[in-house]
Amino acid sequence: GENVEQHPSTLSVQEGDSAVIKCTYSDSASNYFPWYKQELGKGPQLIIDIRSNVGEKKDQRIAVTLNKTAKHFSLHITETQPEDSAVYFCAVGVANAGKSTFGDGTTLTVKP
Amino acid sequence: DTAVSQTPKYLVTQMGNDKSIKCEQNLGHDTMYWYKQDSKKFLKIMFSYNNKELIINETVPNRFSPKSPDKAHLNLHINSLELGDSAVYFCASSQGFGQTYGYTFGSGTRLTVV
Repeated sequence: GENVEQHPSTLSVQEGDSAVIKCTYSDSASNYFPWYKQELGKGPQLIIDIRSNVGEKKDQRIAVTLNKTAKHFSLHITETQPEDSAVYFCAVGVANAGKSTFGDGTTLTVKP
Repeated sequence: DTAVSQTPKYLVTQMGNDKSIKCEQNLGHDTMYWYKQDSKKFLKIMFSYNNKELIINETVPNRFSPKSPDKAHLNLHINSLELGDSAVYFCASSQGFGQTYGYTFGSGTRLTVV
């Protein structure tokens, strides 16, 4: 089955700095790469996603880049704010597989 | 309007009891899921349903029995609860099955078995 590795497991940055979280995957048939943000006491929320025919996608301060050859994709958060503090999960999906496989999560702390 | 709603939010029960968690989505999605999040925050798929049909049963003990009366509802019944079942259970839905789509998660049910 699909194996998804996410790094780092914890990340601490100063407010205003950038944060980068990276995921690698094993199944070359994977074609969907979402990122979720989970705040304390809540369910994960989709914040950005990318499909395999695109190399980069941006939405205001967040961006995702995909390298299909190397089988890795990354979440980039610029100008971090304290409200960005949360657990971030990458996930990988394959059409018709019926599920997404999640990484183990990264706890991001943004210090004011 | 809550898109994916789960009840109850908290559940504390004794070992050996049977309990149910209910989930409803008002997004018109075809596919629904149960995920388990353990104390380390890892998210693991348990079941997925597409249009009321079971698609994935991810080696979950048969004490766990999902039921989907219609495509807007997916319930989870757990028999003979064990200490190791303590976790947060998330229901989620997505637009379709053949193509991949992002999930909308509920707010979770924190199950504590004592």
